Amino acid sequence: GNSVTQMEGPVTLSEEAFLTINCTYTATGYPSLFWYVQYPGEGLQLLLKATKADDKGSNKGFEATYRKETTSFHLEKGSVQVSDSAVYFCALGPHNYGQNFVFGPGTRLSVLP
Amino acid sequence: NAGVTQTPKFQVLKTGQSMTLQCAQDMNHNSMYWYRQDPGMGLRLIYYSASEGTTDKGEVPNGYNVSRLNKREFSLRLESAAPSQTSVYFCASSEGTSVSYEQYFGPGTRLTVT
Repeated sequence: GNSVTQMEGPVTLSEEAFLTINCTYTATGYPSLFWYVQYPGEGLQLLLKATKADDKGSNKGFEATYRKETTSFHLEKGSVQVSDSAVYFCALGPHNYGQNFVFGPGTRLSVLP
Repeated sequence: NAGVTQTPKFQVLKTGQSMTLQCAQDMNHNSMYWYRQDPGMGLRLIYYSASEGTTDKGEVPNGYNVSRLNKREFSLRLESAAPSQTSVYFCASSEGTSVSYEQYFGPGTRLTVT
Protein backbone atom coordinates (compact mmCIF):
# COMPACT_ATOMS: atom_id res chain seq x y z
CA GLY A 1 0.00 0.00 0.00
CA ASN A 2 0.88 3.65 -0.08
CA SER A 3 3.24 4.95 2.58
CA VAL A 4 5.21 8.05 3.54
CA THR A 5 8.56 8.19 5.31
CA GLN A 6 9.82 11.36 6.96
CA MET A 7 13.09 12.14 8.65
CA GLU A 8 13.14 11.62 12.38
CA GLY A 9 12.95 14.71 14.52
CA PRO A 10 13.08 16.80 16.45
CA VAL A 11 15.02 19.28 14.36
CA THR A 12 16.48 22.27 16.22
CA LEU A 13 17.86 25.21 14.24
CA SER A 14 18.96 28.76 14.91
CA GLU A 15 17.02 31.60 13.35
CA GLU A 16 18.03 32.28 9.72
CA ALA A 17 19.41 28.75 9.24
CA PHE A 18 18.58 26.66 6.16
CA LEU A 19 15.93 23.98 6.63
CA THR A 20 15.49 20.65 4.87
CA ILE A 21 12.97 18.03 5.99
CA ASN A 22 13.19 14.87 3.94
CA CYS A 23 10.11 13.01 2.71
CA THR A 24 9.98 9.92 0.51
CA TYR A 25 6.96 7.95 -0.54
CA THR A 26 5.80 4.63 -1.92
CA ALA A 27 2.69 4.70 -4.07
CA THR A 28 0.92 3.18 -7.00
CA GLY A 29 0.40 5.69 -9.75
CA TYR A 30 1.23 9.36 -9.36
CA PRO A 31 -0.61 10.83 -6.40
CA SER A 32 -0.60 14.47 -5.35
CA LEU A 33 1.86 15.33 -2.59
CA PHE A 34 1.29 17.72 0.29
CA TRP A 35 3.04 19.35 3.22
CA TYR A 36 0.88 20.23 6.21
CA VAL A 37 1.98 22.25 9.25
CA GLN A 38 0.63 21.99 12.79
CA TYR A 39 1.32 24.90 15.14
CA PRO A 40 1.11 24.24 18.89
CA GLY A 41 -2.45 23.60 20.04
CA GLU A 42 -3.93 23.81 16.56
CA GLY A 43 -5.12 21.54 13.78
CA LEU A 44 -3.20 20.89 10.58
CA GLN A 45 -3.03 23.53 7.87
CA LEU A 46 -2.03 23.01 4.27
CA LEU A 47 1.41 24.53 3.64
CA LEU A 48 1.95 23.59 -0.01
CA LYS A 49 1.17 20.93 -2.56
CA ALA A 50 2.24 19.53 -5.93
CA THR A 51 -0.03 17.55 -8.20
CA LYS A 52 2.36 16.10 -10.79
CA ALA A 53 6.00 15.22 -11.37
CA ASP A 54 8.45 18.17 -11.43
CA ASP A 55 5.84 20.53 -9.98
CA LYS A 56 7.19 22.84 -7.29
CA GLY A 57 4.88 23.87 -4.47
CA SER A 58 5.73 27.01 -2.55
CA ASN A 59 4.25 29.11 0.24
CA LYS A 60 5.56 31.42 3.00
CA GLY A 61 9.15 30.88 1.83
CA PHE A 62 8.85 27.08 1.93
CA GLU A 63 9.35 25.01 -1.23
CA ALA A 64 9.11 21.35 -2.23
CA THR A 65 9.55 19.71 -5.63
CA TYR A 66 7.76 16.52 -6.70
CA ARG A 67 10.58 14.19 -7.79
CA LYS A 68 9.20 11.09 -9.46
CA GLU A 69 12.62 9.54 -10.13
CA THR A 70 13.59 9.58 -6.45
CA THR A 71 10.00 9.37 -5.09
CA SER A 72 10.71 12.36 -2.88
CA PHE A 73 9.11 15.63 -1.83
CA HIS A 74 11.63 17.31 0.46
CA LEU A 75 10.62 20.52 2.24
CA GLU A 76 13.11 23.43 2.20
CA LYS A 77 13.30 26.98 3.47
CA GLY A 78 16.25 29.27 3.05
CA SER A 79 16.00 31.18 6.32
CA VAL A 80 13.80 29.93 9.15
CA GLN A 81 12.17 32.13 11.77
CA VAL A 82 11.12 31.40 15.36
CA SER A 83 7.51 31.51 14.15
CA ASP A 84 8.20 28.47 11.93
CA SER A 85 8.46 26.24 15.02
CA ALA A 86 5.81 23.58 14.45
CA VAL A 87 5.29 19.97 13.40
CA TYR A 88 5.48 19.33 9.66
CA PHE A 89 3.65 16.43 7.99
CA CYS A 90 4.29 15.08 4.53
CA ALA A 91 1.19 13.50 2.99
CA LEU A 92 0.21 11.49 -0.04
CA GLY A 93 -3.13 12.27 -1.61
CA PRO A 94 -5.50 9.68 -3.06
CA HIS A 95 -4.77 8.57 -6.61
CA ASN A 96 -7.93 6.59 -7.19
CA TYR A 97 -11.43 6.74 -5.82
CA GLY A 98 -11.64 4.91 -2.53
CA GLN A 99 -8.10 5.73 -1.49
CA ASN A 100 -7.39 8.28 1.18
CA PHE A 101 -4.68 10.58 2.39
CA VAL A 102 -1.65 8.91 3.95
CA PHE A 103 0.28 11.05 6.43
CA GLY A 104 3.86 10.69 7.55
CA PRO A 105 4.66 10.64 11.29
CA GLY A 106 5.55 14.33 11.40
CA THR A 107 8.80 16.18 12.07
CA ARG A 108 8.96 18.62 14.95
CA LEU A 109 10.95 21.78 14.19
CA SER A 110 12.17 24.13 16.91
CA VAL A 111 13.79 27.40 15.86
CA LEU A 112 15.82 29.22 18.49
CA PRO A 113 16.35 33.00 18.48
CA ASN B 1 -16.85 31.51 8.18
CA ALA B 2 -15.66 29.22 10.99
CA GLY B 3 -14.28 26.39 8.79
CA VAL B 4 -14.26 23.10 10.70
CA THR B 5 -15.35 23.16 14.33
CA GLN B 6 -15.07 20.37 16.90
CA THR B 7 -16.53 19.88 20.35
CA PRO B 8 -15.43 19.29 23.02
CA LYS B 9 -11.80 20.49 23.08
CA PHE B 10 -10.85 18.26 26.00
CA GLN B 11 -12.47 15.21 27.57
CA VAL B 12 -11.55 12.71 30.26
CA LEU B 13 -13.43 9.41 30.36
CA LYS B 14 -13.29 6.34 32.53
CA THR B 15 -12.86 2.95 30.88
CA GLY B 16 -16.21 1.70 29.63
CA GLN B 17 -17.88 5.09 29.36
CA SER B 18 -19.29 6.30 26.07
CA MET B 19 -19.16 9.66 24.35
CA THR B 20 -19.72 11.37 21.02
CA LEU B 21 -17.32 13.82 19.40
CA GLN B 22 -19.04 16.41 17.26
CA CYS B 23 -17.75 17.98 14.06
CA ALA B 24 -19.30 20.56 11.75
CA GLN B 25 -18.10 22.39 8.64
CA ASP B 26 -19.54 25.45 6.95
CA MET B 27 -17.68 25.21 3.62
CA ASN B 28 -20.34 23.10 1.85
CA HIS B 29 -17.83 20.28 1.51
CA ASN B 30 -18.98 16.86 0.37
CA SER B 31 -16.41 14.73 2.20
CA MET B 32 -15.59 14.51 5.90
CA TYR B 33 -13.03 12.51 7.88
CA TRP B 34 -12.08 11.47 11.40
CA TYR B 35 -8.42 10.93 12.28
CA ARG B 36 -6.57 10.11 15.44
CA GLN B 37 -3.09 11.44 16.15
CA ASP B 38 -0.69 9.51 18.34
CA PRO B 39 2.93 10.40 19.09
CA GLY B 40 5.32 9.22 16.37
CA MET B 41 2.50 7.82 14.22
CA GLY B 42 1.19 10.80 12.34
CA LEU B 43 -2.52 10.80 11.58
CA ARG B 44 -4.45 7.61 11.05
CA LEU B 45 -7.85 7.58 9.39
CA ILE B 46 -10.65 6.13 11.50
CA TYR B 47 -13.72 6.64 9.28
CA TYR B 48 -14.67 8.89 6.43
CA SER B 49 -17.76 9.98 4.58
CA ALA B 50 -17.22 10.61 0.89
CA SER B 51 -20.63 12.23 0.55
CA GLU B 52 -23.78 12.78 2.56
CA GLY B 53 -25.41 9.45 3.33
CA THR B 54 -22.25 7.33 3.00
CA THR B 55 -19.62 6.25 5.50
CA ASP B 56 -16.62 3.95 5.14
CA LYS B 57 -13.98 2.47 7.39
CA GLY B 58 -10.47 3.82 7.38
CA GLU B 59 -7.28 2.32 8.73
CA VAL B 60 -8.27 2.00 12.42
CA PRO B 61 -12.09 1.76 12.76
CA ASN B 62 -12.36 -0.76 15.62
CA GLY B 63 -14.08 0.63 18.72
CA TYR B 64 -15.66 3.56 16.86
CA ASN B 65 -18.88 4.37 15.04
CA VAL B 66 -19.76 7.40 12.94
CA SER B 67 -22.85 9.22 11.75
CA ARG B 68 -23.06 11.65 8.84
CA LEU B 69 -26.01 13.55 10.23
CA ASN B 70 -26.31 15.89 7.24
CA LYS B 71 -23.92 17.57 4.83
CA ARG B 72 -22.48 19.78 7.58
CA GLU B 73 -22.08 17.38 10.49
CA PHE B 74 -20.10 14.18 11.07
CA SER B 75 -19.95 12.67 14.55
CA LEU B 76 -17.66 10.02 16.03
CA ARG B 77 -18.91 7.77 18.83
CA LEU B 78 -16.95 5.69 21.29
CA GLU B 79 -19.39 3.13 22.72
CA SER B 80 -17.12 1.72 25.43
CA ALA B 81 -13.93 3.74 25.84
CA ALA B 82 -10.60 1.99 26.39
CA PRO B 83 -7.22 3.45 27.48
CA SER B 84 -5.89 2.62 23.97
CA GLN B 85 -8.28 5.28 22.64
CA THR B 86 -6.43 8.04 24.49
CA SER B 87 -5.42 10.30 21.63
CA VAL B 88 -6.02 13.60 19.88
CA TYR B 89 -8.91 13.37 17.43
CA PHE B 90 -9.13 15.56 14.35
CA CYS B 91 -12.04 16.06 12.04
CA ALA B 92 -11.40 17.23 8.49
CA SER B 93 -13.39 18.05 5.39
CA SER B 94 -12.74 18.44 1.68
CA GLU B 95 -14.68 19.24 -1.48
CA GLY B 96 -14.42 15.60 -2.49
CA THR B 97 -12.16 12.60 -2.40
CA SER B 98 -10.54 13.37 -5.73
CA VAL B 99 -6.82 13.49 -6.11
CA SER B 100 -6.01 17.16 -5.61
CA TYR B 101 -8.54 18.31 -3.05
CA GLU B 102 -6.90 19.53 0.13
CA GLN B 103 -8.32 18.70 3.51
CA TYR B 104 -9.27 21.34 6.07
CA PHE B 105 -8.81 20.39 9.70
CA GLY B 106 -10.55 21.29 12.92
CA PRO B 107 -8.62 22.25 16.09
CA GLY B 108 -8.83 18.75 17.58
CA THR B 109 -10.25 17.04 20.68
CA ARG B 110 -7.81 15.77 23.28
CA LEU B 111 -9.29 12.62 24.84
CA THR B 112 -7.89 10.81 27.86
CA VAL B 113 -9.31 7.46 28.95
CA THR B 114 -8.32 6.34 32.45
